[in-house]
Amino acid sequence: SAVISQKPSRDICQRGTSLTIQCQVDSQVTMMFWYRQQPGQSLTLIATANQGSEATYESGFVIDKFPISRPNLTFSTLTVSNMSPEDSSIYLCSVLLIPDRGYDEAFFGQGTRLTVV
Amino acid sequence: AQSVTQPDIHITVSEGASLELRCNYSYGATPYLFWYVQSPGQGLQLLLKYFSGDTLVQGIKGFEAEFKRSQSSFNLRKPSVHWSDAAEYFCAVDTGRRALTFGSGTRLQVQP
Repeated sequence: SAVISQKPSRDICQRGTSLTIQCQVDSQVTMMFWYRQQPGQSLTLIATANQGSEATYESGFVIDKFPISRPNLTFSTLTVSNMSPEDSSIYLCSVLLIPDRGYDEAFFGQGTRLTVV
Repeated sequence: AQSVTQPDIHITVSEGASLELRCNYSYGATPYLFWYVQSPGQGLQLLLKYFSGDTLVQGIKGFEAEFKRSQSSFNLRKPSVHWSDAAEYFCAVDTGRRALTFGSGTRLQVQP
């Protein structure tokens, strides 16, 4: 399995500011993803964090709003830029391992609960 | 595009009763199928997964799920629910992109 540390675990931010969320994994992983879970909703994929290149964003999410970095195989950051109350959500980092059996299993961080006021 | 439907938003069962949570998916081929549980203030925990082979899969905490290709379903079951099973349950699919598409979730409440 993988141990994923997300920081911060929660934050309250002023609208118009930006917050960077960190995701650290205790082992090298093939793929890393960022999801958003809006209040009372399911999880929606924001983007795939690609190591050494630009992230791949899902429809409805743009790099200017959610810039993502992945400098190596164990670390990624997601920035929520120019925040508004609509950005209040839980943001989750997810990683994909390839276990011995040869297929993938996704693990999730504890999430960052963001409130924008 | 693939989609996942969990028709039951909220289910209440008595402790000791059996449980079935429904999940249907829409995709041309058979995707990888997952059930996750999210307890209050907790992250997502994988209960079980289906990739291929035996259509009845066993998971952790006494859960099992059955894949039915003809119905495009992957329903989660437990024969006897415990109070600690109260949580949000998400069905998810991976259609090969390695990212997950989640259903809207089913909130399970357990009555004593």
